[in-house]
Amino acid sequence: LAKTTQPISMDSYEGQEVNITCSHNNIATNDYITWYQQFPSQGPRFIIQGYKTKVTNEVASLFIPADRKSSTLSLPRVSLSDTAVYYCLVGPRNTGGFKTIFGAGTRLFVKA
Amino acid sequence: ETGVTQTPRHLVMGMTNKKSLKCEQHLGHNAMYWYKQSAKKPLELMFVYSLEERVENNSVPSRFSPECPNSSHLFLHLHTLQPEDSALYLCASSPTIDYDGYTFGSGTRLTVV
Repeated sequence: LAKTTQPISMDSYEGQEVNITCSHNNIATNDYITWYQQFPSQGPRFIIQGYKTKVTNEVASLFIPADRKSSTLSLPRVSLSDTAVYYCLVGPRNTGGFKTIFGAGTRLFVKA
Repeated sequence: ETGVTQTPRHLVMGMTNKKSLKCEQHLGHNAMYWYKQSAKKPLELMFVYSLEERVENNSVPSRFSPECPNSSHLFLHLHTLQPEDSALYLCASSPTIDYDGYTFGSGTRLTVV
């Protein structure tokens, strides 16, 4: 499975847009990119998943360049409640034994 | 409420005790998972079940014993644990084993004394 690299931590202020970039240089052709959010003492929560170009939902946008060696999670107008750890995962679907490997994640601090 | 319920939320047990963690989902998912999250470490996959059959075991010590009686319930039986087993144990489910849109429970915070 492709290894991912994310910044360890990021700071932001309420109302700002936050972009968290994940590097995955060894991404395979059939790999998808998935982002999760985790609050303290809770399980991770699925945010968004994409394969290429741009994906948007009610929570975030995911930008994936043509070479797919990186991806950027964009959180519009963050609030204090967005303070959490964000994980970028890369792996294949439809493998009959898919295994998700979580890295260390990016700890986002949103300040007032 | 995420749709995946774990009990208990907190558990303190001695090294000679036997306890069980319970996970329940009514999302109609066919795959269920146990993850371990130790302090300042990434989540570690422990067990994977698909349609009640174990399909993945990441070399987990035998003091952890999973059980999946049906597609809605998953247990993790614990016995003779070590202090280093103290961690947050997370259960997750997904529609099938081929889809990684996992729904996680809130976890059980386990402390081994």
